[in-house]
Amino acid sequence: DAGITQSPRHKVTETGTPVTLRCHQTENHRYMYWYRQDPGHGLRLIHYSYGVKDTDKGEVSDGYSVSRSKTEDFLLTLESATSSQTSVYFCAISEPGQGIYEQYFGPGTRLTVT
Amino acid sequence: DQQVKQNSPSLSVQEGRISILNCDYTNSMFDYFLWYKKYPAEGPTFLISISSIKDKNEDGRFTVFLNKSAKHLSLHIVPSQPGDSAVYFCAASVRTSYDKVIFGPGTSLSVIP
Repeated sequence: DAGITQSPRHKVTETGTPVTLRCHQTENHRYMYWYRQDPGHGLRLIHYSYGVKDTDKGEVSDGYSVSRSKTEDFLLTLESATSSQTSVYFCAISEPGQGIYEQYFGPGTRLTVT
Repeated sequence: DQQVKQNSPSLSVQEGRISILNCDYTNSMFDYFLWYKKYPAEGPTFLISISSIKDKNEDGRFTVFLNKSAKHLSLHIVPSQPGDSAVYFCAASVRTSYDKVIFGPGTSLSVIP
């Protein structure tokens, strides 16, 4: 299994509070991604990173920001959580420069915004 | 508008029989296709992939078929086992655009012993 951990694994927070989710990898892969999974939608890309300090928006980036100060860590921040951000969040990594186009996923974080 | 569609939300198959999961896509720029499997409370795991230059790729019990003219791919599992019960996501990408991986909504497979 790829070395990807996510923290916390579960979180309940109130509307309007800031929340930060962490993804940590030990594979030294250049690309890191944040997805959310919702019923009927599969996995939708929020933001991704192609290197330290290099990030870009995905399909559903509104209300989210990211940071990557080290190769191994990719943070997802909800500046002011809303109930529509209740979801399961997955981090993923890949290394297309080495022909590794498939993404390897972390175990997920279940976030509930009340 | 979904670019990757899995029109069967669920599928039930008897153990030992063949499971066929289908996926359709709309964007002709996609050149790499993947299947992921997901158990409850776990992250998706990569299962098998196929490049657009091929029409078939096989890995053990799993075979993916690609029909580019129909913009259709399918995953065959033979023989199906109870441990195959999971949600299967089809995904499509453009290999030169690493952010352009689009996932389908998933098909929940139940293999009945």
